[in-house]
Amino acid sequence: DAKTTQPPSMDCAEGRAANLPCNHSTISGNEYVYWYRQIHSQGPQYIIHGLKNNETNEMASLIITEDRKSSTLILPHATLRDTAVYYCIVRVDGKGGSEKLVFGKGTKLTVNP
Amino acid sequence: DADVTQTPRNRITKTGKRIMLECSQTKGHDRMYWYRQDPGLGLRLIYYSFDVKDINKGEISDGYSVSRQAQAKFSLSLESAIPNQTALYFCATSDLGRGRETQYFGPGTRLLVL
Repeated sequence: DAKTTQPPSMDCAEGRAANLPCNHSTISGNEYVYWYRQIHSQGPQYIIHGLKNNETNEMASLIITEDRKSSTLILPHATLRDTAVYYCIVRVDGKGGSEKLVFGKGTKLTVNP
Repeated sequence: DADVTQTPRNRITKTGKRIMLECSQTKGHDRMYWYRQDPGLGLRLIYYSFDVKDINKGEISDGYSVSRQAQAKFSLSLESAIPNQTALYFCATSDLGRGRETQYFGPGTRLLVL
């Protein structure tokens, strides 16, 4: 099972910031928080990841609370092309040392004109 | 991501047929994965491979087999297709970048089993 909780859907106006929350209250100290998104049945796309510090790249910013129990993905100026399902993922160590992504249901973000 | 390609993109087959889905990557990654996606269920891991000689079962491997022919190629086979294998299938590769692993997905293969 996914170790994260996200709202099923959110709306955002084009040009405004989209703030997508994620709860991961059982995260352990060496687990990273990853964000991916999937645009209508295309392959999921990596956005950003972090451990404890806030992170920023050309796509988004990731804010992780000090206790690491929750995080927020920020798309600073949302466009219509940002409409997608956004997945917040905490890495899970599987058998044999594998690290598999466990995708939950994500948040369906709709950016409106 | 054009660096990860999947063939075919769409496939219709009949129950009992054997089919193969192919994945190729030009990213030079050692790790490759096969996932399936069903409506409302997210992505589930079928098989993964950390190098050419390494094959591991994922959470839903029954009814599937894989072959890692080379670093760049990872094929998924359905030995005897059944209707509940109708799904969207994704191949992914990964590298060990800054900190931890990041996966890159192919465009997907939409499979319909009649």
